[in-house]
Amino acid sequence: DAMVIQNPRYQVTQFGKPVTLSCSQTLNHNVMYWYQQKSSQAPKLLFHYYDKDFNNEADTPDNFQSRRPNTSFCFLDIRSPGLGDAAMYLCATSRPGQGYQPQHFGDGTRLSIL
Amino acid sequence: AQRVTQPEKLLSVFKGAPVELKCNYSYSGSPELFWYVQYSRQRLQLLLRHISRESIKGFTADLNKGETSFHLKKPFAQEEDSAMYYCALSGRDTGRRALTFGSGTRLQVQP
Repeated sequence: DAMVIQNPRYQVTQFGKPVTLSCSQTLNHNVMYWYQQKSSQAPKLLFHYYDKDFNNEADTPDNFQSRRPNTSFCFLDIRSPGLGDAAMYLCATSRPGQGYQPQHFGDGTRLSIL
Repeated sequence: AQRVTQPEKLLSVFKGAPVELKCNYSYSGSPELFWYVQYSRQRLQLLLRHISRESIKGFTADLNKGETSFHLKKPFAQEEDSAMYYCALSGRDTGRRALTFGSGTRLQVQP
């Protein structure tokens, strides 16, 4: 079953200690997204890749970076996590094309900061 | 700027009762509107989109540009409809692929 896979499901890190979240996909989609979802809030887009073309949202903090080494994988790097970065991080993919293409979501990684 | 508002955090109904989940949006251009659903312990998934004008699992939603609304409706709720529902918007005319989500409404269908 073609999927969007996020590892790990739960991640705990220390305040200020860099952390990387992973997303892989078997859908061969060109577009990959990272969303941040805090408790009782809407998912908020951080950035997305169209192939290797990186698109950062204007209000995404510099503390958040992303890498996409190939079509299948995309990583979210948080350089110095603060307590306010504790959230669910969602990865999604979509095809390109005219009009909107549905986004396929992973299960998410819940990040806790000690 | 794009904004999606879901005024109700929680909607509780009895099985067989009609359901309406409210969604209002703010967008100056030509929007595409969607409903996403997240069942317990499952991933977020697309339920329906306005451009398809379809009914999925008995749910329908009509885009009302005059009222800038995209309410989700079902005439008779089922227990398996209990889930978190998110309304989302994409700015079709900007070519922007990303979604702007509302904060979600939890639907509880009681037996």
